[in-house]
Amino acid sequence: KQEVTQIPAALSVPEGENLVLNCSFTDSAIYNLQWFRQDPGKGLTSLLLIQSSQREQTSGRLNASLDKSSGRSTLYIAASQPGDSATYLCAATANAGGTSYGKLTFGQGTILTVHP
Amino acid sequence: AAGVIQSPRHLIKEKRETATLKCYPIPRHDTVYWYQQGPGQDPQFLISFYEKMQSDKGSIPDRFSAQQFSDYHSELNMSSLELGDSALYFCASSLGGQGHHEQYFGPGTRLTVT
Repeated sequence: KQEVTQIPAALSVPEGENLVLNCSFTDSAIYNLQWFRQDPGKGLTSLLLIQSSQREQTSGRLNASLDKSSGRSTLYIAASQPGDSATYLCAATANAGGTSYGKLTFGQGTILTVHP
Repeated sequence: AAGVIQSPRHLIKEKRETATLKCYPIPRHDTVYWYQQGPGQDPQFLISFYEKMQSDKGSIPDRFSAQQFSDYHSELNMSSLELGDSALYFCASSLGGQGHHEQYFGPGTRLTVT
């Protein structure tokens, strides 16, 4: 059974700082890994999708990397802004014997606060 | 760009009542996923459909059922509601049932059971 863990659980940084969020998963046989942002009481906004054959993806100030062999992914946020404050969730799509139906297994999330 | 639509956005029910949640996927998406997110919890997979057939099943109670219709919209039916069913229910859609593609989430339906 796939388990996804995120550290730290919470992070508070001053505006402008570069930061890294960590995600680890127990089963390296994944199809892809997706990073989401969730504002309080709101829906999930997809940030980046890394397919199993890829090592990283970039979008603006965000860069996500994937190391399947070590079961880790990181989300790098450059030049953080107060508007980046939210909960960041990573989720892995299982690869069950070469078949995946796409269900996501989520980590518990990292609550990020960027203060001015 | 069109997004995933969920209705209603908020729902208040009493114990033992029934509820129906609706999800309209992004046009041309053929796969729908349902997730439940309890207070302070991460989303948990309930069930998914690909081309109108159930493709995978997670921790969905027997009191819940779901289906995907010919127009690809999906409905989650919840009966004999319990206090513990209070949660945010998300629907997500993607293209293809094999999990290769990005899942796009709707805004969620907040269900409160009193």
